[in-house]
Amino acid sequence: DSGVTQTPKHLITATGQRVTLRCSPRSGDLSVYWYQQSLDQGLQFLIQYYNGEERAKGNILERFSAQQFPDLHSELNLSSLELGDSALYFCASSVGSTRGDTQYFGPGTRLTVL
Amino acid sequence: KNEVEQSPQNLTAQEGEFITINCSYSVGISALHWLQQHPGGGIVSLFMLSSGKKKHGRLIATINIQEKHSSLHITASHPRDSAVYICAVGYNFGNEKLTFGTGTRLTIIP
Repeated sequence: DSGVTQTPKHLITATGQRVTLRCSPRSGDLSVYWYQQSLDQGLQFLIQYYNGEERAKGNILERFSAQQFPDLHSELNLSSLELGDSALYFCASSVGSTRGDTQYFGPGTRLTVL
Repeated sequence: KNEVEQSPQNLTAQEGEFITINCSYSVGISALHWLQQHPGGGIVSLFMLSSGKKKHGRLIATINIQEKHSSLHITASHPRDSAVYICAVGYNFGNEKLTFGTGTRLTIIP
């Protein structure tokens, strides 16, 4: 158990809908990262927050947004869902904000868009 | 083209064999991570390297900065080592994001 929690574990929804994925980092970790893992693309970095502020942005679509709250939990919002958004979404956390910090991964949320 | 290349893509070996998984990248990095993804999907961070070599139990990770190459070795492999092993790099430039390899699927047969 990494100490990072993600909810829900599974989510099935329809095209055009909007969903929210939630992540609680390990106690004491200030950084939260969001990743997407689809079958054909592997792991892709979406976005990073550090202590409430956006720190780095990756291949995140405009239909997706995220935020980190004062209690450091984070939410990833996915809207106008398309079939291609079906994937595993991982959250990870780390103490610091740099490339060298060990990241602890949550169990993931499996999103299926029908 | 992925900037982080892993080889082999798939590897099947007998229990007890010495395993080597390779990772190469194209430009300067400040950090390289090895991750393990279990069949159930969970991801565990194994090592972070910026130079040299690290060892944890039966796992050894090395990096050669000049050759832009890293290897993950598993000694005395066991069926529970069966997983996907992923290399991720943090480049010397740009933001703090990691770029991931496509992974090596390892299967250890009893």
